Amino acid sequence: DADVTQTPRNRITKTGKRIMLECSQTKGHDRMYWYRQDPGLGLRLIYYSFDVKDINKGEISDGYSVSRQAQAKFSLSLESAIPNQTALYFCATSDSRGNRASNYGYTFGSGTRLTVV
Amino acid sequence: AQKITQTQPGMFVQEKEAVTLDCTYDTSDQSYGLFWYKQPSSGEMIFLIYQGSYDEQNATEGRYSLNFQKARKSANLVISASQLGDSAMYFCAMREIFYNQGGKLIFGQGTELSVKP
Repeated sequence: DADVTQTPRNRITKTGKRIMLECSQTKGHDRMYWYRQDPGLGLRLIYYSFDVKDINKGEISDGYSVSRQAQAKFSLSLESAIPNQTALYFCATSDSRGNRASNYGYTFGSGTRLTVV
Repeated sequence: AQKITQTQPGMFVQEKEAVTLDCTYDTSDQSYGLFWYKQPSSGEMIFLIYQGSYDEQNATEGRYSLNFQKARKSANLVISASQLGDSAMYFCAMREIFYNQGGKLIFGQGTELSVKP
């Protein structure tokens, strides 16, 4: 099983619908992140959480919300999806004790490809 | 604010030749980490190489090396002896140091590398 699992892998939804992207990890990492990737813009940070009680807005949080249900679970919600939220979404985790052996602590999920029509 | 800039949206290289992907960064932090990731067409993020700001030597990992020029704030990736499987999107990223290690990763826009046979 993957260390960081994102569900669903692909999703098509309609404008105005609420949608949740889920992320769970078995790494035991304390820090979790949500990024979105758009062509030509790289990955941009939406929200991040350094522990269960700590949630922070990233660069582009408008239109999104998150929930850290447990150390291992971090969900991203689009309350009312719009077409410009069509993107590839990544969940990532990191370990405050990261070292070379662990790729300096960052692990990415496989991504969720979201299309809003 | 920290920023990563990749000025080459796309590059071509002949198989077996070396190629350099450019990355410049901006930060006021003295302690930071620089990463390169590869993203093949399947979408996953693959860690390639890491350079710490206090590392005295340039990082190397097999065919990948990082040309770190701290005064110029550049962290270029050099791929030696390109292979067809190197065709992918490449991202430069910087870690903001927060409580030791494991802070947010900030990404550049990416460079799409195509290796010609």
